[in-house]
Amino acid sequence: DSGVTQTPKHLITATGQRVTLRCSPRSGDLSVYWYQQSLDQGLQFLIQYYNGEERAKGNILERFSAQQFPDLHSELNLSSLELGDSALYFCASSVEGGTGKETQYFGPGTRLLVL
Amino acid sequence: AQSVAQPEDQVNVAEGNPLTVKCTYSVSGNPYLFWYVQYPNRGLQFLLKYITGDNLVKGSYGFEAEFNKSQTSFHLKKPSALVSDSALYFCAVRDSDSGAGSYQLTFGKGTKLSVIP
Repeated sequence: DSGVTQTPKHLITATGQRVTLRCSPRSGDLSVYWYQQSLDQGLQFLIQYYNGEERAKGNILERFSAQQFPDLHSELNLSSLELGDSALYFCASSVEGGTGKETQYFGPGTRLLVL
Repeated sequence: AQSVAQPEDQVNVAEGNPLTVKCTYSVSGNPYLFWYVQYPNRGLQFLLKYITGDNLVKGSYGFEAEFNKSQTSFHLKKPSALVSDSALYFCAVRDSDSGAGSYQLTFGKGTKLSVIP
């Protein structure tokens, strides 16, 4: 158990809908990262937050957005869902207080299925 | 830009034999290299990392990895494979020159390791 929690574990929804994925980082970690894992694209970085502020953006669609709250938990919002958004979404966290050498610890993921 | 390649989609090894999972990388600065393992329906678990220093890094569950700067490689190894090692293995890299505050990892496509009893 990495100490990173994600809810829900599974999510089934329809095209066009909007969903919210939640992540709680390890105690003491200030950074949260979101990744998408799909069969065709592999594991792709979406976005990073550090202590409430956006720090880096990867291959995140405009239909997707995220935020990190004062208690450091993070939410990933996916809207206007398409079939191709079906994937496993991971959250990771790190201390992020130093030089970027810190290990990222991953949560168990949320499996999203868009029908 | 940073990138990582895992040239083998699948590696099969007999139980008790040594195993190697290959990884090569490309960065403009110095690499920070990581190995993760993913079991079915689970998240990624951290195995080991190379930041600097000794080229041979020891990690969890008896795994080790050798950093080779001239060959830009960071192969994962274990002297004696167990059936329970069967999983998906990911190599990841972060470029030390990626810029202040941007600490994203770039992952390889993954290598499926099957240890045959």
